[in-house]
Formats: sequence, C-alpha cells, structure tokens
Amino acid sequence: GAGVSQSPSNKVTEKGKDVELRCDPISGHTALYWYRQSLGQGLEFLIYFQGNSAPDKSGLPSDRFSAERTGGSVSTLTIQRTQQEDSAVYLCASREAGGTDTQYFGPGTRLTVL
Amino acid sequence: QQQVKQSPQSLIVQKGGISIINCAYENTAFDYFPWYQQFPGKGPALLIAIRPDVSEKKEGRFTISFNKSAKQFSLHIMDSQPGDSATYFCAARAAGNKLTFGGGTRVLVKP
Repeated sequence: GAGVSQSPSNKVTEKGKDVELRCDPISGHTALYWYRQSLGQGLEFLIYFQGNSAPDKSGLPSDRFSAERTGGSVSTLTIQRTQQEDSAVYLCASREAGGTDTQYFGPGTRLTVL
Repeated sequence: QQQVKQSPQSLIVQKGGISIINCAYENTAFDYFPWYQQFPGKGPALLIAIRPDVSEKKEGRFTISFNKSAKQFSLHIMDSQPGDSATYFCAARAAGNKLTFGGGTRVLVKP
C-alpha cells in the first residue's frame, strides 16, 4: 500500500517568507508526527497529533512554527518568517492506532532558506 | 539536552565484517528502543526494536543488545554487506510515543 507522502520534496525560499509543508499519512493511521533533521544531525521532534486530542507541541522551536491536521488525515507544517537556521529536512511519520509502536516515515521535505 | 548519545559518528567496515553501534540514554522512563536505517534522500525506516525487559533481540543479521542497568544498547550488524551502507539512528520512546533520536552513525561497507 501507499506509504507516507510529503510535498514538496524540495523547497527553496528567501529569508522572511512563509512556507507550508504537507504530509499525507498512511490511510487509517491516527498518529502523526513531525521531525526536523538538520544536516548531519539526528532527528528532532517537533509536534505530535493523536486522533482528536490536543496536539503535543512541546518540540516546536519557536512561535514561528505551527502545524495543523485537518480531518484526522493530512497535516500542514507552517513556518512563518523563515530564517536561515530553519534550513533542514522536515520529516513526517505516521503510526497506526491500537498500541503498535512503529512510526513510518515519509521521504521528507528539504527546506533551504537563502 | 541530548538524551540519547550515539557513537561512533561514522564507521567503515569490510564486507563480511561486524558493524557495532552504541547508544546510551539517561531517561529511565524510556520504554521502547528502535533502530532506524536511512538511505540518502529517503526517510528513516524501522530496522529492529527492543523493549527493556529483554536483553537481546535478533532479526536476521541484525542484533540489538540491551543493558538496562548501564542504560546502554547497541546494534550489531553481522556479515556486513555493501547494501548495508546507510545512516543508522538509535531512538528511545517516552510518553506520547515521541521518539528521541541519537545523532546517527554513517556506516560504509567496503566490498
């Protein structure tokens, strides 16, 4: 079946512009995560959605970052007034409900802020 | 604050050799420890995982060893193959299923 998809695959923007990154999770997966992977670094947790519960935003680095998940499926990560330090690969993962542990990752969106 | 420390950062091994990657954690609330494999341009994919009530788990050529008292766990790749060349991440899960990742190890298997 289809895996997690993300769009765009690459995004180049100018400092100060807003960007939106999209994630389509695996159908039926109730949990959705956003992570950030800076060059040569590990993955950094950003935000977590589980069903209809309030999202866990504890990993968002600043108030310029926000995310929403519409209809329990597609999610959009928005970065306002982008800065050069926001350049990274943004990864989305989804997980099936019911106690399963495995998070399935998408291919990521590579964001470059000039 | 880095809660999961991974070493080495890079590793070169000959085909047929053993690759060993180590991770150490601090938070005793972690209850699940997966390893992910990532190829260039791809997202990480789950390789193998272990829970703290088990000291070892083996799947094919991949083995996790877990030492709860030392708060350490490691990945062993036996009979390493060129196709194993990738970046490997250890991770640990706390409340809410959030994963905390190590910094990654780039493994190169030479033919």
